[in-house]
Amino acid sequence: KQEVTQIPAALSVPEGENLVLNCSFTDSAIYNLQWFRQDPGKGLTSLLLIQSSQREQTSGRLNASLDKSSGRSTLYIAASQPGDSATYLCAVAKGETSGSRLTFGEGTQLTVNP
Amino acid sequence: DAGITQSPRYKITETGRQVTLMCHQTWSHSYMFWYRQDLGHGLRLIYYSAAADITDKGEVPDGYVVSRSKTENFPLTLESATRSQTSVYFCATKSMREQETQYFGPGTRLLVL
Repeated sequence: KQEVTQIPAALSVPEGENLVLNCSFTDSAIYNLQWFRQDPGKGLTSLLLIQSSQREQTSGRLNASLDKSSGRSTLYIAASQPGDSATYLCAVAKGETSGSRLTFGEGTQLTVNP
Repeated sequence: DAGITQSPRYKITETGRQVTLMCHQTWSHSYMFWYRQDLGHGLRLIYYSAAADITDKGEVPDGYVVSRSKTENFPLTLESATRSQTSVYFCATKSMREQETQYFGPGTRLLVL
């Protein structure tokens, strides 16, 4: 059974810092890995999707890497802003089908202080 | 352009009652999913559907029933609600395209007394 772990569970940083969120998974046979953002009381918003054949994806100040063989991914946030405060969730998709089911980690709650 | 909507957004019910949570999408995505989110467990898949009239169990299906007679709707029914089903429920959709992400609704907060 796939298990996804995110460390740390919570993180508080001053504005402007660069930071790294970690995600690990137990089964390397994944279809892709996705990072989501969740604001309090809201649904999830997709940030980045890394295919199993890729090493990294970038979107603006966000960069996600994937090391499938070691079962790890990191989300790098550059020059953090108070608006980045949210919970960040990592999810892995199993199988080879387009309807791949997701297994989620419990998330990292990020607070960026002005 | 609502995308994906869930109703109700908040619901309080009593143990033993039947409750139906609604999910509606305007994109005509083939795949639809129901998750529950609980402290200490993260999001867990309850049921999913690959198309109208095709549904399958996820990780935690016990106590839930789904149907999908139309592509745009995917209701989740708790046949006899229990306190352990107190949770936040999220519906999500996904297109048939390869390597496509899932799109999530705003969630329904359910309290079972």
